[in-house]
Amino acid sequence: DGGITQSPKYLFRKEGQNVTLSCEQNLNHDAMYWYRQDPGQGLRLIYYSQIVNDFQKGDIAEGYSVSREKKESFPLTVTSAQKNPTAFYLCASSITTVNTEAFFGQGTRLTVV
Amino acid sequence: GENVEQHPSTLSVQEGDSAVIKCTYSDSASNYFPWYKQELGKGPQLIIDIRSNVGEKKDQRIAVTLNKTAKHFSLHITETQPEDSAVYFCAVRYPDSNYQLIWGAGTKLIIKP
Repeated sequence: DGGITQSPKYLFRKEGQNVTLSCEQNLNHDAMYWYRQDPGQGLRLIYYSQIVNDFQKGDIAEGYSVSREKKESFPLTVTSAQKNPTAFYLCASSITTVNTEAFFGQGTRLTVV
Repeated sequence: GENVEQHPSTLSVQEGDSAVIKCTYSDSASNYFPWYKQELGKGPQLIIDIRSNVGEKKDQRIAVTLNKTAKHFSLHITETQPEDSAVYFCAVRYPDSNYQLIWGAGTKLIIKP
């Protein structure tokens, strides 16, 4: 089945540690995105990538980093510089950034303990 | 910057009745208006979208209407069913935002049996 897979579903991290969230898609989409979702708020864009080996900062990129070495994969690292990392993280992809129907993964809930 | 306001934040309707959710936007150059449904613990899924050259679009029990003059668009769900219970998000594509989607804060729809 084609789709987007995020792992793990739940993640616990100690304060001061970096953690990497996985996102893989087999839809052959060029564009991939990372969003953060907090209660009572819309989705906020962290980073996006239009093509392999290219990515751009979104509205809330501080404290996060990404890489796009393969078309299928767009991992997100939450660094210790992120002041409030506890949140629900969503990965998405679309054919291109202009054709913006986005297909989402199931999300990763990150809790800092 | 660009802003999308979504109302109400919570909507409770009797099963079988209709539900209407409204979003307003600020940039008249916006040209794409999708609606996503998010079930508990899952990523959002596109349910219907409309482009700026169309005033209304229907898909079975779901419809979206667009008023470009007033800069608002609405999601209409008729004959609501228990499985319609979810959080619904509107979004707007602004050309000036590099084609990224700007999201509303979401509406929690509760269908009462």
